[in-house]
Amino acid sequence: NAGVTQTPKFQVLKTGQSMTLQCAQDMNHEYMSWYRQDPGMGLRLIHYSVGAGITDQGEVPNGYNVSRSTTEDFPLRLLSAAPSQTSVYFCASSYSRFLGELFFGEGSRLTVL
Amino acid sequence: AQSVAQPEDQVNVAEGNPLTVKCTYSVSGNPYLFWYVQYPNRGLQFLLKYITGDNLVKGSYGFEAEFNKSQTSFHLKKPSALVSDSALYFCAVRDDGGTYKYIFGTGTRLKVLA
Repeated sequence: NAGVTQTPKFQVLKTGQSMTLQCAQDMNHEYMSWYRQDPGMGLRLIHYSVGAGITDQGEVPNGYNVSRSTTEDFPLRLLSAAPSQTSVYFCASSYSRFLGELFFGEGSRLTVL
Repeated sequence: AQSVAQPEDQVNVAEGNPLTVKCTYSVSGNPYLFWYVQYPNRGLQFLLKYITGDNLVKGSYGFEAEFNKSQTSFHLKKPSALVSDSALYFCAVRDDGGTYKYIFGTGTRLKVLA
């Protein structure tokens, strides 16, 4: 049982480049979300989804796009990377949009030069 | 808007002593509260949650948390700390207003000294 799988684990980009962080879960979870973790700032919610075709913004959505075409996948797109997007990114899912606890991936460390 | 505060960046405790990691919250409706633990270079792992019912919630690895509505707090506790409990701990809150947003605190680093 793989749980929540994130790829890549590490990525270095130049300013202005684009990339997609992949997230897949095999637990048939309804709810999926993306967080960024920065020192001293904890985890901040970027975007979330309560089901296929439904997405919404979190606390820090600027510079990021998401889509949810299937229950399993929730990719995070950086259209034009900036140094301020250097961070560790976590994907998390839950069986329910209502009260379920989150299951986290192992993280993707992104450096933007 | 929801918010969570973890007032201590780091907590040091001797092995075998009780530990407390503090968390206070603010929500507009009823709170749903969670604790997670993060080990180095890993994702977060769920420890316990409060939805409703008993104010004392028991979770994984011997941890428990006490919900106090009047003080809007949800402190994490363990009667006897282990060196292996050393990690980063996060409190999180959701409200029951249908926003579906889990908001996390800034984290508290727990160091258990042998």
